[in-house]
Amino acid sequence: DAKTTQPTSMDCAEGRAANLPCNHSTISGNEYVYWYRQIHSQGPQYIIHGLKNNETNEMASLIITEDRKSSTLILPHATLRDTAVYYCIVAVSGTYKYIFGTGTRLKVLA
Amino acid sequence: SAVISQKPSRDICQRGTSLTIQCQVDSQVTMMFWYRQQPGQSLTLIATANQGSEATYESGFVIDKFPISRPNLTFSTLTVSNMSPEDSSIYLCSVWGGVYGYTFGSGTRLTVV
Repeated sequence: DAKTTQPTSMDCAEGRAANLPCNHSTISGNEYVYWYRQIHSQGPQYIIHGLKNNETNEMASLIITEDRKSSTLILPHATLRDTAVYYCIVAVSGTYKYIFGTGTRLKVLA
Repeated sequence: SAVISQKPSRDICQRGTSLTIQCQVDSQVTMMFWYRQQPGQSLTLIATANQGSEATYESGFVIDKFPISRPNLTFSTLTVSNMSPEDSSIYLCSVWGGVYGYTFGSGTRLTVV
């Protein structure tokens, strides 16, 4: 079973920040939080990952709670091209066995 | 990160036939992974392909149905054998991309009629 829980779907207005939550209450100390997204019919694309500190890159920010039981992916200025399914995955770094949950289907509205 | 070329991008096949999907990586990698994504569903790992050894299959997937080859460190194939409509899915290969996590191919959309 997937180790994460995400809302099934979310809408966001174009230009606004999209905040995608993920619950991973059973995360282990050596497991990272990874975020990927899958634009329709393409392969998943890596977005960002983190262990316990907040992380930011050119695509997004990742906020991890102090107890590490949940996290939020933030797309600061959502565009129509950000419409996709977003997957939150917890895994030991380098492990091959990703367990994909159902993800969040984000729809960015014009 | 690695660049993956996957062929074919899509195919429509008759039931009872087989289809071989190719995955080419632009760098040498130890492990390659094959996933299945059924319509409207999430991704499920089929097997891990190591060069020089037999593939390791996940629960629910067997070698007779999904034989895998890994002749070198940049190439792998997945065959979907004796296909039925239930095999209609997107099949994806993947490699570990280091700091960028896993890199996935663009997928093969298979429809079995």
